[in-house]
Amino acid sequence: QQQVKQSPQSLIVQKGGISIINCAYENTAFDYFPWYQQFPGKGPALLIAIRPDVSEKKEGRFTISFNKSAKQFSLHIMDSQPGDSATYFCAASLAGNMLTFGGGTRLMVKP
Amino acid sequence: EPEVTQTPSHQVTQMGQEVILRCVPISNHLYFYWYRQILGQKVEFLVSFYNNEISEKSEIFDDQFSVERPDGSNFTLKIRSTKLEDSAMYFCASSPDRGYGYTFGSGTRLTVV
Repeated sequence: QQQVKQSPQSLIVQKGGISIINCAYENTAFDYFPWYQQFPGKGPALLIAIRPDVSEKKEGRFTISFNKSAKQFSLHIMDSQPGDSATYFCAASLAGNMLTFGGGTRLMVKP
Repeated sequence: EPEVTQTPSHQVTQMGQEVILRCVPISNHLYFYWYRQILGQKVEFLVSFYNNEISEKSEIFDDQFSVERPDGSNFTLKIRSTKLEDSAMYFCASSPDRGYGYTFGSGTRLTVV
């Protein structure tokens, strides 16, 4: 009930391309869906987050698409750059309680 | 930009020993957390702390674990008798609001031998 499933586990994209990472959740009561970016040797850093009352949120090159009926949300990185190469985690929480993380996606953007 | 600081960055300890992992949260944050990440696996919640008490904890956070905010700036995680399976990266985080706007530290890699 608390699981968040993330795919793909790894992704290779050419510079300038679009990176798409998907997550699915089970608990329909989740009300907060953040995405985190993690570089080697660093902690996760909040990238962008969405609540279920909107279907899309955009911040610069990063967009979250949210499909409440399908219990899915995705991260789109437009014009992907080599500096975007990192591990990305989706997460979900309910009423400010603990974050439940997806398994992570290792993104490599080739120059 | 304010940071969450964790020390040490890497700790090696013998099985059965006690370890204390230290964190300095962002000064105006009120909520504090510990998460861990076993190598190659997902980040897992351990415990949240607010107003000098535990507000939520996971099944992982058993009697071997404890947290403390000893002096108003530090936030510590103690593991009383370490096991091999405690080897992981431990992340401290803080937030101004409950459950939102987390800032994570860079982590302490704990290796139990």
